[in-house]
Amino acid sequence: QMQLQESGPGLVRPSETLSLTCTVSGGSISSYYWSWIRQPPGKGLEWIGYSHYSGTTSCNPSLKSRVTISIDTSKNQFSLKLSSVTAADTAIYYCARDKHWPPRGDMDVWGKGTTVTVSS
Amino acid sequence: QSALTQPPSASGSPGQSVTISCTGTSSDVGGYNYVSWYQQHPGKAPKLMIYEVSKRPSGVPDRFSGSKSGNTASLTVSGLQAEDEADYYCNSFARSNNVVFGGGTKMTVL
Repeated sequence: QMQLQESGPGLVRPSETLSLTCTVSGGSISSYYWSWIRQPPGKGLEWIGYSHYSGTTSCNPSLKSRVTISIDTSKNQFSLKLSSVTAADTAIYYCARDKHWPPRGDMDVWGKGTTVTVSS
Repeated sequence: QSALTQPPSASGSPGQSVTISCTGTSSDVGGYNYVSWYQQHPGKAPKLMIYEVSKRPSGVPDRFSGSKSGNTASLTVSGLQAEDEADYYCNSFARSNNVVFGGGTKMTVL
């Protein structure tokens, strides 16, 4: 059974770059599309973007200029980089597997989430 | 893109049916049959409950059903149980290969 695990710093300084990694176990990263979703404290879910090992990506227009999603097939990992962070980027960040190819918004396997706080 | 509109709360007694709406536009909900619903318990990751408007993943009870009419999708929980108390989020595939979520609905079992 496929499992996902997010990892990365829990604290990021304002204006710096947030970097997170999602490690995929129990299956090949090449077989699916992969997404990042975040949830600010006490608020709803926000789609960040998805990526495929072929290089195909799509990102939320509101974040597009700051987001990079990449895939490392040799490590079975995919990563999120969010630049120029502010306090508004404080959230639980989830990685997830997209059920369909190409993605349709139905993510059927999720990591447990990792909390990132932006503060000086 | 704007978030889909969901009521902030919904409630029902055990055994009753409750329906949550999710309203978008012709650029998302109304334009594609790709609406999904997620259940999220406190401190947990979301769980996919419905995809492609009305399909249930393996293991999801048939008490959960989905539908769509025009720009509004709906999730119905029949035979409400205590463990159904959670937050529910809809999302939809949208124009330009984007995905948009609803603001979430807190379901209370009275």
